Amino acid sequence: DARVTQTPRHKVTEMGQEVTMRCQPILGHNTVFWYRQTMMQGLELLAYFRNRAPLDDSGMPKDRFSAEMPDATLATLKIQPSEPRDSAVYFCASGLVWYSSGADQGTEAFFGQGTRLTVV
Amino acid sequence: GQQVMQIPQYQHVQEGEDFTTYCNSSTTLSNIQWYKQRPGGHPVFLIQLVKSGEVKKQKRLTFQFGEAKKNSSLHITATQTTDVGTYFCAGPGEGGSQGNLIFGKGTKLSVKP
Repeated sequence: DARVTQTPRHKVTEMGQEVTMRCQPILGHNTVFWYRQTMMQGLELLAYFRNRAPLDDSGMPKDRFSAEMPDATLATLKIQPSEPRDSAVYFCASGLVWYSSGADQGTEAFFGQGTRLTVV
Repeated sequence: GQQVMQIPQYQHVQEGEDFTTYCNSSTTLSNIQWYKQRPGGHPVFLIQLVKSGEVKKQKRLTFQFGEAKKNSSLHITATQTTDVGTYFCAGPGEGGSQGNLIFGKGTKLSVKP
């Protein structure tokens, strides 16, 4: 079964520490999303990559967050320095987007199990 | 930016009752997707609607896309305890970000046996 793999599943860290979350998208998918989920804000889109290029990271606090795709099998989300307000579940999802009839056409997004981050 | 609004935020039903959640967008959507997230789980894709006025069914679930492609609904007939979870609609971003996915806040469904 093809699936998105996220590591670690849980992370507890102290305020000020660097946190790196990793994601292995499904082979063949050209799109990767990073979402943050909290009770108050729901599922917020942090970053969106297509063919490893960042297309939209407007939802990400630029001063402390960074997202990269060093290769097609790995996406990373880094927080430095972490703060208690960053505590949330971070989901990675991958999917397939193609261009047709003058617009992007998308298919379903496959989510990983998430990384539950607690910053104390 | 693009937003999809969902109502209600919560819904508590007795098992066997029907349930509906609504999704509204300020702009026309090229497509809309629905996801379900079980407690403690991750969102799982249910369906994608593309055509104006489209209606699709999956057993007890009925999905509709409005004629103007600005709203959508998910209706569950005769809810069961296995339907518990949060239901999200998601639409594409605007302009150059059309391939991304913006989620509504979700409707959390609880079912009393």
